[in-house]
Amino acid sequence: DGGITQSPKYLFRKEGQNVTLSCEQNLNHDAMYWYRQDPGQGLRLIYYSQIVNDFQKGDIAEGYSVSREKKESFPLTVTSAQKNPTAFYLCASSPPSQGIYEQFFGPGTRLTVL
Amino acid sequence: EDQVTQSPEALRLQEGESSSLNCSYTVSGLRGLFWYRQDPGKGPEFLFTLYSAGEEKEKERLKATLTKKESFLHITAPKPEDSATYLCAVQALDSSYKLIFGSGTRLLVRP
Repeated sequence: DGGITQSPKYLFRKEGQNVTLSCEQNLNHDAMYWYRQDPGQGLRLIYYSQIVNDFQKGDIAEGYSVSREKKESFPLTVTSAQKNPTAFYLCASSPPSQGIYEQFFGPGTRLTVL
Repeated sequence: EDQVTQSPEALRLQEGESSSLNCSYTVSGLRGLFWYRQDPGKGPEFLFTLYSAGEEKEKERLKATLTKKESFLHITAPKPEDSATYLCAVQALDSSYKLIFGSGTRLLVRP
């Protein structure tokens, strides 16, 4: 089955720790994205990558880092510099297109800082 | 500034009671408008893409329409399983890959 997987589903972090969220897709999509979702707010873009070894900051990149070494994988690291990391994190990907980028989402990772 | 506003924030319907959700947008040229369904604790599920004013798309009890300033998601004779949060997003003409999301409408359909 083709799809997007995220792991873990739930993640608990102590203050001061870095954590890495996994995102893998087997849809052969070129572009991948990371969003953060907080209650009562729309999804906010953290980082996105259009091709391997290239990525761009989104609206709220401070305190986060990413890598794109393989087409299938786009891990997100939440660093200790992120002041309020507790949130629901969503990974998405989109296929090659003529400019309309329909995005398809994974199941999400809920991060809680203790 | 590009912006998406969804209303109402929450909507309660009786099973079979049809209604509409609104998505108003302000963008410097629209490339596409997207509707998603999100169940609690899960990722959004893609529903529709609309490209130009006057366009309509249907899927089961859902029909999405688009004008130059807003989109409506019409729900006909809803069932309890239609309960979810419905998200709207737009992509502007001058945007590369970026979607702007509204905060969603939480729909509850009572049996």
